[in-house]
Amino acid sequence: SAVISQKPSRDICQRGTSLTIQCQVDSQVTMMFWYRQQPGQSLTLIATANQGSEATYESGFVIDKFPISRPNLTFSTLTVSNMSPEDSSIYLCSVEAVRGRETQYFGPGTRLLVL
Amino acid sequence: AQKITQTQPGMFVQEKEAVTLDCTYDTSDPSYGLFWYKQPSSGEMIFLIYQGSYDQQNATEGRYSLNFQKARKSANLVISASQLGDSAMYFCAMSLTGGGNKLTFGTGTQLKVEL
Repeated sequence: SAVISQKPSRDICQRGTSLTIQCQVDSQVTMMFWYRQQPGQSLTLIATANQGSEATYESGFVIDKFPISRPNLTFSTLTVSNMSPEDSSIYLCSVEAVRGRETQYFGPGTRLLVL
Repeated sequence: AQKITQTQPGMFVQEKEAVTLDCTYDTSDPSYGLFWYKQPSSGEMIFLIYQGSYDQQNATEGRYSLNFQKARKSANLVISASQLGDSAMYFCAMSLTGGGNKLTFGTGTQLKVEL
């Protein structure tokens, strides 16, 4: 299985500021994804992070609000821009398993509280 | 568009008993994958089990098994010999082959194991 780390693990931020979340994988992976889990809710895909090109965003998510970088096959960042209390969520990155398509592993998540 | 339905918001089970968590799905795509994840209160997403739409046998991983009924479009998770540490939120998810393996999640079932 892939070992995934995320930084920071949690943060408390003021509205109007931005936070960048890092996701690091211990092996090269083709597919990386960013999900959001609002309090008491299920997970919703924000975007697919593509190496060497722009991320592919899901309906309801835009690049200006959630810019994503993917400089190589082991690392990605998600920025939550101009935050509001509605952005308070757990943000998780996930990767497709190297051994095949059968599994997706998740990072430990970043708990964000916006005041 | 694909959809995952989990109709049990909460379930209770006695320790050492078996429990079934329900999941139904809807897709017109013939090729897909079904996943179950466990999310303890810490927030991490733990991969439990995977079933491919063309797999002939039901998937099993230790105490977890997936009761896959393709005609009924159901993929129920069975946990045998429940333990106190199984208390968590459980999510069913689906990916479409050719859909970039992005996951669509159900709303989850909160399982509580009692003595």
